[in-house]
Amino acid sequence: QSALTQPASVSGSPGQSITISCTGTSSDIGGYNYVSWYQQRPGRAPKLMIFEVTNRPSGVSNRFSGSKSGNTASLTISGLQAEDEADYYCSSYTTSSTLFGGGTKLTVL
Amino acid sequence: QITLKESGPTLVKPTQTLTLTCTFSGFSLNSRGVGVGWIRQPPGKALEWLSLIYWNDDKRYRPSLKSRLTITKGASKNQVVLTMTNMDPVDTATYYCAHGLYSAKVFDYWGQGILVTVSS
Repeated sequence: QSALTQPASVSGSPGQSITISCTGTSSDIGGYNYVSWYQQRPGRAPKLMIFEVTNRPSGVSNRFSGSKSGNTASLTISGLQAEDEADYYCSSYTTSSTLFGGGTKLTVL
Repeated sequence: QITLKESGPTLVKPTQTLTLTCTFSGFSLNSRGVGVGWIRQPPGKALEWLSLIYWNDDKRYRPSLKSRLTITKGASKNQVVLTMTNMDPVDTATYYCAHGLYSAKVFDYWGQGILVTVSS
């Protein structure tokens, strides 16, 4: 049961858009529409940003959006803001368990 | 308002058994579709899903740790207990409990986490 694959880091300037990819297999991301994304600031618990591939919980900015194609899911953050700087983790349901990605550190330049 | 809080020892010795308690409020684990899960994060590393228990007592475990983990509903109706046997220094991590939704297979509320160090 390998972790999902994410880039270690991405960066962008304020106002720009960035995309974080999350690659799995047909047994997880490709097989289910249960992809979630979490934001984690230093020293804090993760916060749910996207669930079921594209859905945003109440209170999450519409600058955050999710998508999926085949075995790869993506998180896009538009209109980048300084407060978006954090670690981001993808997650997917797989048969009887849950996988997380290795995490991506987003730096806002 | 849903809240969760982890409690337990912050230091355990190698080979000992770790027992963590998640105390929650704002929801009932008897409600259909609700679950409580455990996720850990070694210092500076990624999140790692450990276990989940649903309202109907359905239990799930990380395959590689299944032999060491046990999740149960606590004696108090607002608690979930996770035990992990044969602790090793590599198990040093912040352990989180979280509210889970069966329908969306997601953790939407998280506790603050508890750092557990395994050292002699």
